[in-house]
Amino acid sequence: RKEVEQDPGPFNVPEGATVAFNCTYSNSASQSFFWYRQDCRKEPKLLMSVYSSGNEDGRFTAQLNRASQYISLLIRDSKLSDSATYLCVVNVPTGTASKLTFGTGTRLQVTL
Amino acid sequence: EAQVTQNPRYLITVTGKKLTVTCSQNMNHEYMSWYRQDPGLGLRQIYYSMNVEVTDKGDVPEGYKVSRKEKRNFPLILESPSPNQTSLYFCASRTYSNQPQHFGDGTRLSIL
Repeated sequence: RKEVEQDPGPFNVPEGATVAFNCTYSNSASQSFFWYRQDCRKEPKLLMSVYSSGNEDGRFTAQLNRASQYISLLIRDSKLSDSATYLCVVNVPTGTASKLTFGTGTRLQVTL
Repeated sequence: EAQVTQNPRYLITVTGKKLTVTCSQNMNHEYMSWYRQDPGLGLRQIYYSMNVEVTDKGDVPEGYKVSRKEKRNFPLILESPSPNQTSLYFCASRTYSNQPQHFGDGTRLSIL
């Protein structure tokens, strides 16, 4: 089983729609979680951290479910500019240190 | 401006010709990493460093070397590049192990 798994998509949604992505992780000791956004051939950029209590940033809401070992990202009122690949990132403990492990990403295409 | 700077951005070279991709960060971050990104495989960690003179292998270290003589610099060295190292490479840094990463703009390497 992969350490971090995402549905690759693509998710094709009309402008204004609400869309949600899930990401599952295998290591129950994982401590911190993030969502990144990556535009084609560009560097990943931090979208938001994911906190245990859930957090919201404008149209974006992130949630963590430790019992089921997944995190989610909800995008409300989708814009054309939201079209990108969304990467789930999990901080996986590795002995004395930890490693940020990336999912392969979920592609979102928002259309008119 | 806080940033991670990689050079070169693009390079086409031939098999066996040693090359170095430089990475520098101005945020005084302890952690630095190198990733490669290939279609369908996502971001895979090549090497990482937790501080000066402390480096360790990531998931795909074969064919690469790194050094961390100064906190701000973390060059990636390909002693004898081969075509299977053709990829998009990202350098990243972060301050603590549970913090998100900042990425450089990426280096697109083509080994012929």
